[in-house]
Amino acid sequence: EVQLLESGGGLVQPGGSLRLSCAVSGFTFTIYPMSWVRQAPGKGLEWVSTVSDSGVSTYYADSVKGRFTISRDNSKNTLYLQMNSLRAEDTAVYYCAKCGPEIDYYFDYWGQGTLVTVSS
Amino acid sequence: DIVMTQSPDSLAVSLGERATINCKSSQSVLYISNNKNYLAWYQQKPGQPPNLLIYWASTRESGVPDRFSGSGSGTDFTLTISSLQAEDVAVYYCQQYYSTPFTFGPGTKVDIK
Repeated sequence: EVQLLESGGGLVQPGGSLRLSCAVSGFTFTIYPMSWVRQAPGKGLEWVSTVSDSGVSTYYADSVKGRFTISRDNSKNTLYLQMNSLRAEDTAVYYCAKCGPEIDYYFDYWGQGTLVTVSS
Repeated sequence: DIVMTQSPDSLAVSLGERATINCKSSQSVLYISNNKNYLAWYQQKPGQPPNLLIYWASTRESGVPDRFSGSGSGTDFTLTISSLQAEDVAVYYCQQYYSTPFTFGPGTKVDIK
């Protein structure tokens, strides 16, 4: 059974940092790209970032470029999102999502999400 | 960036009736070399993460009931629920994965009439 379990969310002040983790199981982590997608309270879905299967290639939404860093540890089956210089508009549930096979960037499995609240 | 729009914003359909949701992309998401439309559909129920229904515009994900179907090509797409069930009450999103930034439509809320 495919499982994705996010952790690391919480309350942080504007300008602060957080690191999200996503521990996965039930599939061969090393051969799939992985992504983060967020959803602000009561709003729609927003793609944040994607990392290739090897971790070499990364892609970001303009809204987070230069502030967020996606990475993965294939030896630990874990995906990360380092979030710096956080802003109020980054407040959202952050979902870890598995991408389709090869370079098919639809999202076929999702975690339950972790809430990040940026507020003073 | 490819902008995704959906219509209607919401709809209410009687149980057993057909529900149709439209999605339009600001530029084609059809990749000519493989003749595939890089378009997916998701269902999100309250308090839950999204669930993949359809990819390549018309390929149903494993385990998704066959009352869900996707159609369209290029810039215009449709998700159809052929016979609405109570458990289909949700918000439905389309997403293009043709190019980054990968973008979602604003969502369509489906309720029971």
